[in-house]
Amino acid sequence: TQLLEQSPQFLSIQEGENLTVYCNSSSVFSSLQWYRQEPGEGPVLLVTVVTGGEVKKLKRLTFQFGDARKDSSLHITAAQPGDTGLYLCAGADKMNYGGSQGNLIFGKGTKLSVKP
Amino acid sequence: DTEVTQTPKHLVMGMTNKKSLKCEQHMGHRAMYWYKQKAKKPPELMFVYSYEKLSINESVPSRFSPECPNSSLLNLHLHALQPEDSALYLCASSPPRAGVGYNEQFFGPGTRLTVL
Repeated sequence: TQLLEQSPQFLSIQEGENLTVYCNSSSVFSSLQWYRQEPGEGPVLLVTVVTGGEVKKLKRLTFQFGDARKDSSLHITAAQPGDTGLYLCAGADKMNYGGSQGNLIFGKGTKLSVKP
Repeated sequence: DTEVTQTPKHLVMGMTNKKSLKCEQHMGHRAMYWYKQKAKKPPELMFVYSYEKLSINESVPSRFSPECPNSSLLNLHLHALQPEDSALYLCASSPPRAGVGYNEQFFGPGTRLTVL
């Protein structure tokens, strides 16, 4: 069974600080997604990483996929209160061939609180 | 139209009621999903439809009955639910990308279900 270990589970920081969230597995994933979810709402897709060693930037957020495609990290620079939320990583366990969809394996999430 | 919509936003029902949740997308996605999410937990996959056919049923009790009338619509029929079924029910969809190794899922805002 593929598992994604996400850490830390909880993170409470002051506005302006930097932080990193980690997503690790002993399994190889064909792709990995990062989502952000606010209470009572659905997860919003932030990024998909596909290639080992890939780095993607989204404003103050930097996403990295490990060379072996087993782990990923999310780094936020100069966090703001608007970054508060639950961050979920999710790995795809199968190649997507046309209509055949792979399942997403979710990590348990990192609850981030950024205080003004 | 680049979103997944879900209705109703909130639903309160008794254990003897029959109700339905509705999900709609007009992005041309051919895979649609139902997830259940309890507080402070990641989403748990319930059902997957691929090209309007049920492809995955994650051992969900028969009191939950999915239906995919066409490529844009997904329903979840509820009957004789238990209080422990109270949760956020999320719908998601993903595009078919033949031969590409990733599986991006786009989530709706969810239906907050309370079973009394």
